[in-house]
Amino acid sequence: EVQLVESGGGLVQPGGSLRLSCSASGFSFSSYAMHWVRQAPGEGLEYISAISNTGDITYHADSMKGRFIISRDNSKGTLYLQLNSLRAEDTAVYYCVKDTVAAIYGVVSRLEYWGQGTLVTVSS
Amino acid sequence: DIQMTQSPSSVSASVGDRVTITCRASQGIHSNLAWFQQKPGRAPKRLIYAASVLHSGVPSRFSGGGSGTEFSLTISNLQPEDFATYYCLQANSFPLTFGRGTKVDIK
Repeated sequence: EVQLVESGGGLVQPGGSLRLSCSASGFSFSSYAMHWVRQAPGEGLEYISAISNTGDITYHADSMKGRFIISRDNSKGTLYLQLNSLRAEDTAVYYCVKDTVAAIYGVVSRLEYWGQGTLVTVSS
Repeated sequence: DIQMTQSPSSVSASVGDRVTITCRASQGIHSNLAWFQQKPGRAPKRLIYAASVLHSGVPSRFSGGGSGTEFSLTISNLQPEDFATYYCLQANSFPLTFGRGTKVDIK
């Protein structure tokens, strides 16, 4: 059974940083691309970033480029999202999502299984 | 970016009803569309991918259709567990973009 468990969320002051982790199990983590998606309280879903199975290719949405950095450690079966220069509007539940393919370009990304999410609250 | 216009934003229905939700893409996305169901406080779950392919374990009362720019999700014979919010997602190009959601609640 695919399991994705996010952690690292919490309360942080504006301008602060946080690193989110997503621990994966139940599948061959190093074989699949992974993604991050967020959801502000009471709002819809917003796509953040993607990383190929080997970690050498990444994509970040323009609105978060330069502040958020996706990475992975296949030896640990863990996906990361580094959040920098946080703003109040970054307050959201952050989800990690498993893809069905290894690459992120030249293929159709198909978000498949989602973790339960971790809440990030940016407030002074 | 590809914009996904989802409608309606909410619908009230009864158990046994048939409900149809639509998503329109601002440009052609072939069949690269998925549908997700989300219940309050829970993570989204994939229902359909490639516009019409049912995700493993999803009941057959869910069906999807369309290609290009117009897509639909139909729930036939609505069950109590189907009351939730539904989102479409275009997976054709980055940034992947979601519709704004359709809340299906009890009439």
